[in-house]
Amino acid sequence: DAKTTQPTSMDCAEGRAANLPCNHSTISGNEYVYWYRQIHSQGPQYIIHGLKNNETNEMASLIITEDRKSSTLILPHATLRDTAVYYCIVRVAGSGAGSYQLTFGKGTKLSVIP
Amino acid sequence: DAGVIQSPRHEVTEMGQEVTLRCKPISGHNSLFWYRQTMMRGLELLIYFNNNVPIDDSGMPEDRFSAKMPNASFSTLKIQPSEPRDSAVYFCASRMDSGELFFGEGSRLTVL
Repeated sequence: DAKTTQPTSMDCAEGRAANLPCNHSTISGNEYVYWYRQIHSQGPQYIIHGLKNNETNEMASLIITEDRKSSTLILPHATLRDTAVYYCIVRVAGSGAGSYQLTFGKGTKLSVIP
Repeated sequence: DAGVIQSPRHEVTEMGQEVTLRCKPISGHNSLFWYRQTMMRGLELLIYFNNNVPIDDSGMPEDRFSAKMPNASFSTLKIQPSEPRDSAVYFCASRMDSGELFFGEGSRLTVL
């Protein structure tokens, strides 16, 4: 069972920032927050991950609250191609037992509107 | 890099037939995963291989499902006999050590 809670769906105007929230109130100290997305008829695609600090890459930014109980994925300038289901996942760090587990919940269906 | 390659992309078969899905992971990756995705249950992990050895097959639904990884560049997921409830999209994914998972495009299976 997923350890995260996300809204079922969200809309965002093209060109605007898309802010996707995720609650992970039971996250442990050794668990990362991962974000993947799945565009229709494709396999899931890695976006970004973080432990405590905010992270940014060419695709998105990840803001993690100080208590680590929630996070927000930010797509700074959403395009129509960003329409997808976005999954927030917590995963044990490292390569030890359980670290391979990526449990996908229902995710958030983001629709970018022209 | 060609990414994770799965075949066939689409398979339609009749109940009772054997189905074999194939996966070529990204070269150099030492972990391979098979997932199944349905509308009702979402994405479920079926089996995980590390260095060609099955580590966790607790997600395999029943004895009709089997998976092999004879070498680092090839894996199969077999269903025998297939049933209509096996209809789903099956994804293969690979990664290096504890790195990010890279998914294939999936194999859409329809069992009539």
